[in-house]
Amino acid sequence: ILNVEQSPQSLHVQEGDSTNFTCSFPSSNFYALHWYRWETAKSPEALFVMTLNGDEKKKGRISATLNTKEGYSYLYIKGSQPEDSATYLCAFSSPSGNTPLVFGKGTRLSVIA
Amino acid sequence: DAGITQSPRHKVTETGTPVTLRCHQTENHRYMYWYRQDPGHGLRLIHYSYGVKDTDKGEVSDGYSVSRSKTEDFLLTLESATSSQTSVYFCAISVGGRETQYFGPGTRLLVL
Repeated sequence: ILNVEQSPQSLHVQEGDSTNFTCSFPSSNFYALHWYRWETAKSPEALFVMTLNGDEKKKGRISATLNTKEGYSYLYIKGSQPEDSATYLCAFSSPSGNTPLVFGKGTRLSVIA
Repeated sequence: DAGITQSPRHKVTETGTPVTLRCHQTENHRYMYWYRQDPGHGLRLIHYSYGVKDTDKGEVSDGYSVSRSKTEDFLLTLESATSSQTSVYFCAISVGGRETQYFGPGTRLLVL
């Protein structure tokens, strides 16, 4: 059974702080790592998909890095704003075309104004 | 936004009654999924489909069945609803099993 771990489980930061959290996944049989942003009472929205070791993706103040050899990805938020408050999910996919994504349980970020 | 709708969006039902939730897509994606969201558990996969009439079980399939008779619709049925099935249910679609999933707006189900 594939295991995707996210840490921390929750995080409270002050507005303007930068923050980061981790997604750990199996380093073997890797195809892609996905990040989603999930606001309360809404549905998850895709942020990034990364496939290559060393990949870095950026969207505004949010960026992500990928290390497939050691099986982790970091999500960074620079200068957190209250609107960044959400749960951030990562999901692992293997090369098998039929196997669905395996989601972590998420990191819940609260940005205090 | 991906063209995914879910119906109903909210439902209250009683224990023991059957319930069917519908997911409809206009993207012609091959894969469709049903998840439930519960505090402390994140998203848990119930069932998924990789084509018309092709379905498979997920992590928490007990008490649920699914059907996919056409590409655009994926139905989730609770044969006899229980209070433990009170949850928010999300449908998702993807081009392939390992590709990005796009989520519907969710259905909030309360079983009394």
